[in-house]
Amino acid sequence: EAGVTQFPSHSVIEKGQTVTLRCDPISGHDNLYWYRRVMGKEIKFLLHFVKESKQDESGMPNNRFLAERTGGTYSTLKVQPAELEDSGVYFCASSLAGLLETQYFGPGTRLLVL
Amino acid sequence: RKEVEQDPGPFNVPEGATVAFNCTYSNSASQSFFWYRQDCRKEPKLLMSVYSSGNEDGRFTAQLNRASQYISLLIRDSKLSDSATYLCVKEDSSYKLIFGSGTRLLVRP
Repeated sequence: EAGVTQFPSHSVIEKGQTVTLRCDPISGHDNLYWYRRVMGKEIKFLLHFVKESKQDESGMPNNRFLAERTGGTYSTLKVQPAELEDSGVYFCASSLAGLLETQYFGPGTRLLVL
Repeated sequence: RKEVEQDPGPFNVPEGATVAFNCTYSNSASQSFFWYRQDCRKEPKLLMSVYSSGNEDGRFTAQLNRASQYISLLIRDSKLSDSATYLCVKEDSSYKLIFGSGTRLLVRP
């Protein structure tokens, strides 16, 4: 069974540009999460989808970040315009519906904003 | 104060050694706790869940003390392949994971 996949694996952009990250969860997983690790800090939660609905977006840093999950399958996270402090590794995770279900992480997208 | 605190290490131990990691957390409402393992430039992977009764998986033993808000991970008979960063994680009531900054383990031959 395929795991969580993310695209691209790396992205280098200039400040002010737009970048869109994609996450394909494990098939059948209703829950989809975005997390981020910036340099020298711990991994932090960004938001949580249940199917196509945003369940919790309390971790989104500001309105330059927009996440979507149309149709409840894959998700995109767009950063527009990107700032230097957005650099980091963006992880996506998915899990089955229900309590105590393991979150499986994708390999991450490494974003560098110059 | 961070919700999950870990000693960053690194812990540098010889093969065969026993090593213990500790972690403290705040917000006693947290329900579930985990240890994740993260290899260099890879994603976090679940190592084991942590229960108050303690749980063991081969060479790994995890323990949760809710009264002290303290979590531990014990690795016996360390292998070279155990070298990684170990992340102490709690899950809050809305299912989001809250990570510690990780403890780095280096197992030397």
